[in-house]
Amino acid sequence: GEDVEQSLFLSVREGDSSVINCTYTDSSSTYLYWYKQEPGAGLQLLTYIFSNMDMKQDQRLTVLLNKKDKHLSLRIADTQTGDSAIYFCAVFSGGYQKVTFGIGTKLQVIP
Amino acid sequence: DTAVSQTPKYLVTQMGNDKSIKCEQNLGHDTMYWYKQDSKKFLKIMFSYNNKELIINETVPNRFSPKSPDKAHLNLHINSLELGDSAVYFCASSQELAGGLAKNIQYFGAGTRLSVL
Repeated sequence: GEDVEQSLFLSVREGDSSVINCTYTDSSSTYLYWYKQEPGAGLQLLTYIFSNMDMKQDQRLTVLLNKKDKHLSLRIADTQTGDSAIYFCAVFSGGYQKVTFGIGTKLQVIP
Repeated sequence: DTAVSQTPKYLVTQMGNDKSIKCEQNLGHDTMYWYKQDSKKFLKIMFSYNNKELIINETVPNRFSPKSPDKAHLNLHINSLELGDSAVYFCASSQELAGGLAKNIQYFGAGTRLSVL
């Protein structure tokens, strides 16, 4: 099946940029997503990108997709303490017809 | 209005008991899911139903049985609870768009924290 990998932990200072990385294995992946999970809550969709795009920007969020390397990243500009959460990368694989989630990256923002 | 609602939010029970978690979505979605999130926050899909039919059934003990009375509800029944079942269980739903364009954006409930003593 599809494998989606992320690092477990990232710590940044308030005001800096955060970059969370994700790699996946299925080249037929069509939609790629970033979800945010705050403590005690469910996952909420932050943004998504279609596989024919290289970049998508939405306010402080920038998603970069490198299809050749099967690498997805989420950049958060001017990171705030409210951005502290777990960020999940997820990939919809056309080959497997399902969404696979990564293990989640815990972002800690230091004031 | 809550889009995907799960009850109960917390469930504390003894080993060996049988318990159910309910999930309802008011988004008109065709597909619903159950996920298990363990203490390390790993999220693992358990089941997926599309229009009341089971379409994904990952390697899950048969003590876990999903039941979908209609496409807006997907309940999870667990028999003979074990210590290792302690986790947060999330329900989610998604809508596959018409014309074969599937975004599969999933909307999650707030989770049910199950503690087996």
